[in-house]
Amino acid sequence: DAGVIQSPRHEVTEMGQEVTLRCKPISGHDYLFWYRQTMMRGLELLIYFNNNVPIDDSGMPEDRFSAKMPNASFSTLKIQPSEPRDSAVYFCASSLLGPRVTEAFFGQGTRLTVV
Amino acid sequence: AQSVTQLDSQVPVFEEAPVELRCNYSSSVSVYLFWYVQYPNQGLQLLLKYLSGSTLVKGINGFEAEFNKSQTSFHLRKPSVHISDTAEYFCAVSDGYSGNTPLVFGKGTRLSVIA
Repeated sequence: DAGVIQSPRHEVTEMGQEVTLRCKPISGHDYLFWYRQTMMRGLELLIYFNNNVPIDDSGMPEDRFSAKMPNASFSTLKIQPSEPRDSAVYFCASSLLGPRVTEAFFGQGTRLTVV
Repeated sequence: AQSVTQLDSQVPVFEEAPVELRCNYSSSVSVYLFWYVQYPNQGLQLLLKYLSGSTLVKGINGFEAEFNKSQTSFHLRKPSVHISDTAEYFCAVSDGYSGNTPLVFGKGTRLSVIA
């Protein structure tokens, strides 16, 4: 398996524009996580899905952020409108769970810069 | 909710010297503990994990960690570091008692190995 695949790797956009980040989890994994990494706050969990259903989105910073998982092999994180403070590295991760969370596999991240 | 404290934000160390990166977690009945490594411009990669059993856990690249329940710690060690170990290291915890919970990460420790 190629691992978790994120696109794009880098995104530069102007304030006010819509940004869509994409993630393809590892085939067969039933949990998908979106994290945001900044110098100030480190790695923050934004939202996670189980079997394509959002379980906890309490980490989503505000209504400008939305995430979807239309099927088991694809998820998007959308920011509309984007702001400079959204600049960060966004990671997608997936895991295969039995009764407990064990190891999460991470993509290489999308570095978002909002100017 | 679980939390993780990584006591050192930066650790410089000379090549071939030993290193210890400290991690403390908030107490819980049952936890699962992880160390991840992030090389520059890369995603996170699992170094090792503690789920149960022996409190001394061995991981990749010669790293090991010891789970200490009484001190709620999970410090990472390596007896002799290499230049290639320069990276950011993240400690993470999952609440094993309550079932499926995502990983909560510390803010990371930047290890710099000096030649």
